[in-house]
Amino acid sequence: GESVGLHLPTLSVQEGDNSIINCAYSNSASDYFIWYKQESGKGPQFIIDIRSNMDKRQGQRVTVLLNKTVKHLSLQIAATQPGDSAVYFCAESPTGNQFYFGTGTSLTVIP
Amino acid sequence: KAGVTQTPRYLIKTRGQQVTLSCSPISGHRSVSWYQQTPGQGLQFLFEYFSETQRNKGNFPGRFSGRQFSNSRSEMNVSTLELGDSALYLCATAWTGGYSSYNEQFFGPGTRLTVL
Repeated sequence: GESVGLHLPTLSVQEGDNSIINCAYSNSASDYFIWYKQESGKGPQFIIDIRSNMDKRQGQRVTVLLNKTVKHLSLQIAATQPGDSAVYFCAESPTGNQFYFGTGTSLTVIP
Repeated sequence: KAGVTQTPRYLIKTRGQQVTLSCSPISGHRSVSWYQQTPGQGLQFLFEYFSETQRNKGNFPGRFSGRQFSNSRSEMNVSTLELGDSALYLCATAWTGGYSSYNEQFFGPGTRLTVL
């Protein structure tokens, strides 16, 4: 299968600080990327997506950056809140219907 | 509107048995994908169904199969269970599946399968 990996398995940030979660992907044919958030006992929840024809996309308090040259994806969360504590996954897709996920980064927000 | 529902939520089986898991999509969603989630492997794609047809398939053995009904509900079946099949099985549904966030996948809470 595809190889989507995360640089850091855990990340701790102070409440109010910005968080950056990184992801490396391996398939240069992937042209659609999604970040998901998974809280304990729940299924993953869509946060933001980006197509390969873009290098940046912003949502509410979140920004996704895509660097196709080095096959790197990042998620930036502004003013991190305790409710942001969760596991974050990046996913890549070459088809739009079949996704390959990384193993996840656990984000802990310290009040 | 109601979210994605999966039944049962928890299941305990023994090696060699078979199991059937069910996923009911959000009303109007026709694409249903199944994933296996384990601590070491993360989420791995099993297969995706659209309009009762398997449209995409991941790299899992033939013991894993699925189907979709005319009302878009989907089932997945695992035969001859192995210890390594213990995992959280998630389904995700979308309008049609595709590139737009309009077709974003909504995940269910999952079925926790334990194989003894």
